[in-house]
Amino acid sequence: EVQLVETGGGLVQPGKSLKLTCATSGFTFSNAWMDWVRQSPEKQLEWVAQIKDKSNNYATYYAESVKGRFTISRDDSKSSVYLQMNSLKEEDTAIYYCTYGYNLFDYWGQGVMVTVSS
Amino acid sequence: DVQMTQSLSYLAASPGESVSISCKASKSISNYLAWYQQKPGEAYKLLIYSGSTLQSGTPSRFSGSGSGTDFTLTIRSLEPEDFGLYYCQQYYEKPLTFGSGTKLEIK
Repeated sequence: EVQLVETGGGLVQPGKSLKLTCATSGFTFSNAWMDWVRQSPEKQLEWVAQIKDKSNNYATYYAESVKGRFTISRDDSKSSVYLQMNSLKEEDTAIYYCTYGYNLFDYWGQGVMVTVSS
Repeated sequence: DVQMTQSLSYLAASPGESVSISCKASKSISNYLAWYQQKPGEAYKLLIYSGSTLQSGTPSRFSGSGSGTDFTLTIRSLEPEDFGLYYCQQYYEKPLTFGSGTKLEIK
């Protein structure tokens, strides 16, 4: 059974940092392309970032809204993917989902809430 | 960026009825279109990809159609468990983009 479990969310002030972790199991993580997708309080979904596998040189891609502030990374030995979020803004407030697929999202975690507020 | 438009944000129907949810892309995306379902307390679920291919486990009462810019998700003979939020997503190019969602509620 595929499992994706996100942790690391919480309340943070604007300008601060937060790191999300997604621990996975049930599939061959080392071959997977992993993404982060977020859902705003208005229920709008937004793709955030993607990291490909080793055979694709761990290439990374970002939404324009987070480029330069967020960094996606992975540790194949731990079957985990991460999202380092710096210089957070109030508009980054959302539920963040870890997903697995190849440009579409076959599996989703339950999500973790990130609230950016002073 | 490819803009995805779901014109209906809300749809009410009764069990047993059939409904269609439309999704329009701002440019041709061939058939690189997926549909997702979200139900309260549950993880998002991929229902359909490549515009019309059912993901394993998706009931046959679901169907997808369209190519280019216009797509439709049809649910025949609604079951109580079908009520929830539905989103379309294009994966023709990055940034990967979603429609704004259609909430399907029980009438």
